[in-house]
Amino acid sequence: ELKVEQNPLFLSMQEGKNYTIYCNYSTTSDRLYWYRQDPGKSLESLFVLLSNGAVKQEGRLMASLDTKARLSTLHITAAVHDLSATYFCAVISGTYKYIFGTGTRLKVLA
Amino acid sequence: GAVVSQHPSWVICKSGTSVKIECRSLDFQATTMFWYRQFPKQSLMLMATSNEGSKATYEQGVEKDKFLINHASLTLSTLTVTSAHPEDSSFYICSERGLAGVHEQYFGPGTRLTVT
Repeated sequence: ELKVEQNPLFLSMQEGKNYTIYCNYSTTSDRLYWYRQDPGKSLESLFVLLSNGAVKQEGRLMASLDTKARLSTLHITAAVHDLSATYFCAVISGTYKYIFGTGTRLKVLA
Repeated sequence: GAVVSQHPSWVICKSGTSVKIECRSLDFQATTMFWYRQFPKQSLMLMATSNEGSKATYEQGVEKDKFLINHASLTLSTLTVTSAHPEDSSFYICSERGLAGVHEQYFGPGTRLTVT
């Protein structure tokens, strides 16, 4: 059974600091997704990583994928308060089933 | 990406009653839709896969007689929570798969269900 774990589960950081969220998954998958969720809201798509070594950047967020290590990272550069949210990674199991990670609740302190 | 709506956005019902949640694909004919449940401060768990014109496929541990799914048209899937209990209180999110062969899912805004 495919398992997806994220760490840390909670992250409190100062504005302006850098940090990385990790997403590990247990079996082979050739694509990985990152989502943001604000309280009471649904998911907002951030990145789709389609191959080993893929790297994507949008603003202060950068995501990468290492399929051999079964690891994806979401790096936050110079955090700002607006980035406070819960971040989920998701991996495809089989042809279409999404398995979500445990989530990382990020709080950026002013 | 595709646009998915859900109705209602929130609902409060009494224990023992049934409540229906609608998931609509607004700009695409979705042959496959998915229903997720998210308890507070937890991750999303897939409940079932809804296929247009056929029976839904439920994940292990999800009671199909309690969570009735109907996907009668290419733009509408419904989830009915029957004989609701307070432990059914949760955030329910649907998604659609998009074009066959495309892996991306497009998520609806979610429905907050509170059972009193």
